[in-house]
Amino acid sequence: DTEVTQTPKHLVMGMTNKKSLKCEQHMGHRAMYWYKQKAKKPPELMFVYSYEKLSINESVPSRFSPECPNSSLLNLHLHALQPEDSALYLCASSQEGPLGTYEQYFGPGTRLTVT
Amino acid sequence: GESVGLHLPTLSVQEGDNSIINCAYSNSASDYFIWYKQESGKGPQFIIDIRSNMDKRQGQRVTVLLNKTVKHLSLQIAATQPGDSAVYFCAENMETQGGSEKLVFGKGTKLTVNP
Repeated sequence: DTEVTQTPKHLVMGMTNKKSLKCEQHMGHRAMYWYKQKAKKPPELMFVYSYEKLSINESVPSRFSPECPNSSLLNLHLHALQPEDSALYLCASSQEGPLGTYEQYFGPGTRLTVT
Repeated sequence: GESVGLHLPTLSVQEGDNSIINCAYSNSASDYFIWYKQESGKGPQFIIDIRSNMDKRQGQRVTVLLNKTVKHLSLQIAATQPGDSAVYFCAENMETQGGSEKLVFGKGTKLTVNP
C-alpha cells in the first residue's frame, strides 16, 4: 500500500467555523507533512512531524493547529480562518533513515474554501 | 514586489517528441533532489530522484541530470505522451536552521503534449 489518503476532498467553511483535515498512511513512514498550495504555485511546507513529534513549524499562524495522534495519522485543525487561507492542503509522508530525506508520497489534497 | 498575473512557465511539445524541463536550484549545499508531476486536481506524484553524488539517473522514459557547478537540474522525458501533460516541479532538500531537513519546491513548469 503506497497510498496517502486525505479527507474530506472538499471543504467549505465560514470564518467562525472549526473544522479538521485528516490524513492517513499505512506505509510505516515515520515522517508526515502538511503543505499549502495556492493556484499555479508550488506546495509550501507548513509542518513536519517526525516520529510523532513536531519537528518543523514554518511560522504558520496559530489558526492552523497540527496533531499527530499516532504514526499513521495526521490532523490539521482549523479555526477562525481567513478567505486568503483558501487553498489545496496536501499531506505527505516519507521514510527516515541514515541517508536523510527520502521521497515524499503525497495525498490528493483537501480543497479548502473559506467564505 | 509581486507582479500581477503570475503564470507558470510552459512547454508545449508534439506527441512522440522528447521533452526537457529545466530547474535552477538555490542552495549549493543541497544534497537531494526530486522531480514531481502534478496533474490537475491531484497531489504531486514522485517521478525520479537524484543525490548530489551523482550526475545522472535514469528511470523508465525519464532521465534526471544534475549540474552542481551551475546549480541546475533537468528532467528529460523520452517519447512524450498525452498522459505526460501536467505541471512538473523540481524540489531540493535543504537544511533548516533547527538542523532538520525540508523539501523546497521550484516554481513548476506546465507541460502540454499535443496529439
